[in-house]
Amino acid sequence: EAGVAQSPRYKIIEKRQSVAFWCNPISGHATLYWYQQILGQGPKLLIQFQNNGVVDDSQLPKDRFSAERLKGVDSTLKIQPAKLEDSAVYLCASSLGTGGLRSYEQYFGPGTRLTVT
Amino acid sequence: GDSVTQMEGPVTLSEEAFLTINCTYTATGYPSLFWYVQYPGEGLQLLLKATKADDKGSNKGFEATYRKETTSFHLEKGSVQVSDSAVYFCALDHSGNTPLVFGKGTRLSVIA
Repeated sequence: EAGVAQSPRYKIIEKRQSVAFWCNPISGHATLYWYQQILGQGPKLLIQFQNNGVVDDSQLPKDRFSAERLKGVDSTLKIQPAKLEDSAVYLCASSLGTGGLRSYEQYFGPGTRLTVT
Repeated sequence: GDSVTQMEGPVTLSEEAFLTINCTYTATGYPSLFWYVQYPGEGLQLLLKATKADDKGSNKGFEATYRKETTSFHLEKGSVQVSDSAVYFCALDHSGNTPLVFGKGTRLSVIA
């Protein structure tokens, strides 16, 4: 079974430029997450989708970050304009979960390492 | 809100040494607890999990027991190998398809 795919793997941009990341989850997974992992810290949720709807975007800096999951499959995360503090690894994860009383395993992609200079 | 605290690294051990990485959590209700591992250049992988109090998760020689009375989920391995060198993350979530809350990670280096 193919895993979660992300591209690009690495990106270097200057501050105030824009950048976009792409994620293709595991086939059939309803839920998709974007996490931000700053060096030396654990991943933190940016946004959660279930199918093509947003479940939680409370931690997404909406003045500069946007994300979409058209057709409920792959997703893009955009930053415009980028700031120095956006330098991080951006992780995409997916799970089968659609709610209910159980916890569903999340499968992570390899991440995109963004450096803002 | 929920939070996870794990011991600071880096941790450096000789091969075949005993490993403990401490993890404590603060959460409402009854979360599920996880250990994820991140090998160099790779994505996060689930190492083990426990979904209720007193459950023991185990995988690849690693173990962790869900202790509700001490709100802890310490990771242990009896004899580490060089190939265990990685960053280990303790995490929790709640039922109903919620996102993971991670600790800061602990880097483990095992030397031959």
